[in-house]
Amino acid sequence: DQQVKQNSPSLSVQEGRISILNCDYTNSMFDYFLWYKKYPAEGPTFLISISSIKDKNEDGRFTVFLNKSAKHLSLHIVPSQPGDSAVYFCAASENTGNQFYFGTGTSLTVIP
Amino acid sequence: EPEVTQTPSHQVTQMGQEVILRCVPISNHLYFYWYRQILGQKVEFLVSFYNNEISEKSEIFDDQFSVERPDGSNFTLKIRSTKLEDSAMYFCASGYAYEQYFGPGTRLTVT
Repeated sequence: DQQVKQNSPSLSVQEGRISILNCDYTNSMFDYFLWYKKYPAEGPTFLISISSIKDKNEDGRFTVFLNKSAKHLSLHIVPSQPGDSAVYFCAASENTGNQFYFGTGTSLTVIP
Repeated sequence: EPEVTQTPSHQVTQMGQEVILRCVPISNHLYFYWYRQILGQKVEFLVSFYNNEISEKSEIFDDQFSVERPDGSNFTLKIRSTKLEDSAMYFCASGYAYEQYFGPGTRLTVT
């Protein structure tokens, strides 16, 4: 039961350009969304979040956009840096805030 | 900066044996979680723990699994009788209702 989907398993971007990672969900009850970054052999690292009352949240080089009608969110990284190369997971939660559903991840490679 | 720690980093066990995976959450956090990631698959929620009791659990978290917060600092996941398919990375996380911080994980290998 894939409630959260990341349809692009990988993405390559030139250093300095924008990286756009996409995530779709099916459960209209989700009201909180998070993005995590994961390096090999490490746990996921929280990056940025957004609640369903907003359509945009920005933190430095990272911006998350939420389109509730399309059940779609995206993470923009600009400018991309080689250190951003990692697997990015989106996760979503209903209003209980307890169970988070993760996507399968997108592996981002930023080419110097 | 405080972080979630997990021990051991790698655990090898035989099928049918009990394992206990240990986590030390960040000290002022209120929610505690266990997730697992089977190699090549997505991160899957197992259980959340709040106010000294399980607040939510997934279908994966059956009677073979249990969690405890035996003292003020540790948070453990016990698998009573391991199966081959329990082989995975197990991540502990702690946080507030809408923010979670993950530990580095324990790789469990069941042979």
